[in-house]
Amino acid sequence: TQLLEQSPQFLSIQEGENLTVYCNSSSVFSSLQWYRQEPGEGPVLLVTVVTGGEVKKLKRLTFQFGDARKDSSLHITAAQPGDTGLYLCAGDGRLTSGSRLTFGEGTQLTVNP
Amino acid sequence: NAGVTQTPKFQVLKTGQSMTLQCAQDMNHEYMSWYRQDPGMGLRLIHYSVGAGITDQGEVPNGYNVSRSTTEDFPLRLLSAAPSQTSVYFCASSYTSRAGGPIGELFFGEGSRLTVL
Repeated sequence: TQLLEQSPQFLSIQEGENLTVYCNSSSVFSSLQWYRQEPGEGPVLLVTVVTGGEVKKLKRLTFQFGDARKDSSLHITAAQPGDTGLYLCAGDGRLTSGSRLTFGEGTQLTVNP
Repeated sequence: NAGVTQTPKFQVLKTGQSMTLQCAQDMNHEYMSWYRQDPGMGLRLIHYSVGAGITDQGEVPNGYNVSRSTTEDFPLRLLSAAPSQTSVYFCASSYTSRAGGPIGELFFGEGSRLTVL
């Protein structure tokens, strides 16, 4: 079973601060997705990274895929209360162990006004 | 734009009771799946289907059954509910890759919160 470990598990910061969430594995993924989930709703896709070393930006969010395609990070600049939510990474393991998506445990982010 | 629709949103069961969680999607997706979400454990795959008439087990299939008679519907059945099945259940759909798994974005329903007493 492929494992994706996210850190930190919980993060509470003040509005305007920067933060980074990490998603790590010992397995190689063909691609990695980041989702955000708000209370009472299902996760919604933010971005997919495919190429090792790839960097994608979505407004104040910057996503990076590790060179070896085993890890990823999400950096938020000048966090706002609207960024509050559960952030989940999900790896596509079709290169090594099948085509299922494996989800990390999630990072619960709270941005206080 | 209905997307993925799950019913019911909330359910309380007694140990040993059975029930079915319904999931329907209107995007003509071949791939459908059921996850359970528990605190600190992310989303764990229960069962999935790559098309009508085809189902397979995920990471945590015990105690659950599925069937896929149409492209649109993918119900999840709990045969004899146990307190360990208290969780939030999500149905998700996507297009299917040649490898038989999801490709691209997974579209999730709003979830079904189940409590087993």
